[in-house]
Amino acid sequence: QVQLQQSGPGLVKPSQTLSLTCAISGDSVSSNSAAWNWIRQSPSRGLEWLGRTYYRSQYYNDYGVSVRGRITFSPDTSKNQISLQLNFVTPEDTAVYYCARGPRPDYYSYFGMDVWGQGTTVIVSS
Amino acid sequence: QTVVTQEPSLTVSPGGTVTLTCASSTGAVTRNYYPNWFQQKPGQAPRPLIYSTTNKHSWTPARFSGSLLGGKAALTLSGVQPEDEAEYYCLLYYGGVHLAFGGGTKLTVL
Repeated sequence: QVQLQQSGPGLVKPSQTLSLTCAISGDSVSSNSAAWNWIRQSPSRGLEWLGRTYYRSQYYNDYGVSVRGRITFSPDTSKNQISLQLNFVTPEDTAVYYCARGPRPDYYSYFGMDVWGQGTTVIVSS
Repeated sequence: QTVVTQEPSLTVSPGGTVTLTCASSTGAVTRNYYPNWFQQKPGQAPRPLIYSTTNKHSWTPARFSGSLLGGKAALTLSGVQPEDEAEYYCLLYYGGVHLAFGGGTKLTVL
């Protein structure tokens, strides 16, 4: 049974960096079929896909348009986890952040975004 | 910027049938968008229901079904139960590096 356990601070000051981790059990960050996604949800923006990381002979990162240039994903094979860093946060980055397992682009027809973390509420405020 | 549009709200009677739709600002939704559907209740993470247009997860109740309808992705609930009251979201894959969620449909069972 695949499970995702998220961790990270719930409060971040404006202009600082938001860091979250998503520990994977029951699957591998180097999976041959899965991509590891980050999604956030706020009342003003709804569900927003932030991007994903996946392995296909090497690691690839795809970033959503809204956060491109401020966001970085890092896979950690020793801990079997992925991390997110979002730089220069503003109050508009206040949201519930989720990690989720989904398919690699060549596996879209085989499974969906089928396992989600518990969510982390992040508030950006001084 | 790609926009995925869903009905903001729908109401259905218990035991009834309702169809939720998911449209893309880029044109007709086809199987190549691999539509996914999720159910979300307050305070919970989205729960996956449908992937790749019509495929159910092992936990998806039989009364939920996915399809394409009039150039949109569709989620039909047949024999609605009170516990189906929730927010429903679609997700479209645009190929390349782009995915987008719809704005959600609040389904009321009344």
